[in-house]
Amino acid sequence: AQSVTQLDSQVPVFEEAPVELRCNYSSSVSVYLFWYVQYPNQGLQLLLKYLSGSTLVKGINGFEAEFNKSQTSFHLRKPSVHISDTAEYFCAVTYTGGFKTIFGAGTRLFVKA
Amino acid sequence: EAGVAQSPRYKIIEKRQSVAFWCNPISGHATLYWYQQILGQGPKLLIQFQNNGVVDDSQLPKDRFSAERLKGVDSTLKIQPAKLEDSAVYLCASSLRVGVEDTQYFGPGTRLTVL
Repeated sequence: AQSVTQLDSQVPVFEEAPVELRCNYSSSVSVYLFWYVQYPNQGLQLLLKYLSGSTLVKGINGFEAEFNKSQTSFHLRKPSVHISDTAEYFCAVTYTGGFKTIFGAGTRLFVKA
Repeated sequence: EAGVAQSPRYKIIEKRQSVAFWCNPISGHATLYWYQQILGQGPKLLIQFQNNGVVDDSQLPKDRFSAERLKGVDSTLKIQPAKLEDSAVYLCASSLRVGVEDTQYFGPGTRLTVL
């Protein structure tokens, strides 16, 4: 069965520290990969996406993610976080076989001063 | 450009009652999605429209949920009758093109509480 696993439900981190949010997915077909962010009381918005080409993808607000096909992972990173990055982050995978998008359960990033 | 609009933002009903949610996608977007997001979980696709046709409704509980997108613009999602487990945030999203690689733009959601 197709599934998306976000390995950490919550990640507390101090301001200006680096952070990595992990995402793994099951796959037997080609995929498109996405990270969305949901700020408090707001809708989801796209951070970045991988469709093809370079495995390192840069997104908004200084975030980047690396597609690793052999490990079926798409981890999100930021070298230095800000208080304003406090939000919930969702990894999403679109399986090209059935064109269905599956979201992970989310990782709540909490940035402390 | 205006984003995806949803109403109401909050709704509280008792079980076995009916409820309807409305979504107005971004102008010109061909594809419209309804997701259910239960607390602590990621969004789950309920139904996807392309213009006014259904592309995927495999996860829509058709015995109680229905959705329509008349004229390929606005959409309504209805639950009749509601159950306690329907308590969730219902998200509407739209995308410009048909391709699944296209970015989805989400509305603020409707938070439903079933008592």
